[in-house]
Amino acid sequence: GQNIDQPTEMTATEGAIVQINCTYQTSGFNGLFWYQQHAGEAPTFLSYNVLDGLEEKGRFSSFLSRSKGYSYLLLKELQMKDSASYLCAVRDYRDDKIIFGKGTRLHILP
Amino acid sequence: NAGVMQNPRHLVRRRGQEARLRCSPMKGHSHVYWYRQLPEEGLKFMVYLQKENIIDESGMPKERFSAEFPKEGPSILRIQQVVRGDSAAYFCASSPLGQGAMGTEAFFGQGTRLTVV
Repeated sequence: GQNIDQPTEMTATEGAIVQINCTYQTSGFNGLFWYQQHAGEAPTFLSYNVLDGLEEKGRFSSFLSRSKGYSYLLLKELQMKDSASYLCAVRDYRDDKIIFGKGTRLHILP
Repeated sequence: NAGVMQNPRHLVRRRGQEARLRCSPMKGHSHVYWYRQLPEEGLKFMVYLQKENIIDESGMPKERFSAEFPKEGPSILRIQQVVRGDSAAYFCASSPLGQGAMGTEAFFGQGTRLTVV
């Protein structure tokens, strides 16, 4: 089976940097995704990592270590609109199923 | 190129009625995932389908729930004899990939919010 853990809630200040961690356990790893979801809306894709290392995309970066079963999403220069839930998801090679963690609710303070 | 289309966006059903949720994947996508989300919670996997084939339904309740993805037309998630506990947002996502291929993202529809009264 698969198990994905991420913190339930985090709070950060506008303009600051925040790192959201995700740990996972799966037998057939085939990529890790980060999605952003605003309340009442659909999840939108942020990043995809399948190899170890850091992927940078504007203010958002995502890191993966397959040997440690660990990823993080780094958000820089935080803006109020970044207040949302951030979902970590893992794809299984054997059945292509994408399983989500419970999400981290990020609160941005002015 | 239209995104993933779900309808209806909002659905109200009385206890005991049937709910039918539709999902049209993005053009060229042959794989569909259904997820359920309760308020303040994450996305819970329900079922994964290809055209005319259920790949994995391990997350779907054994009774009252069924899903299909016919050769023509949208994928349908069907809930029979709905109960209050079925009230949730149901999201559909589509992907172009088959088993064993390198993954890219799944694209989500706007969801159907089911309310059982």
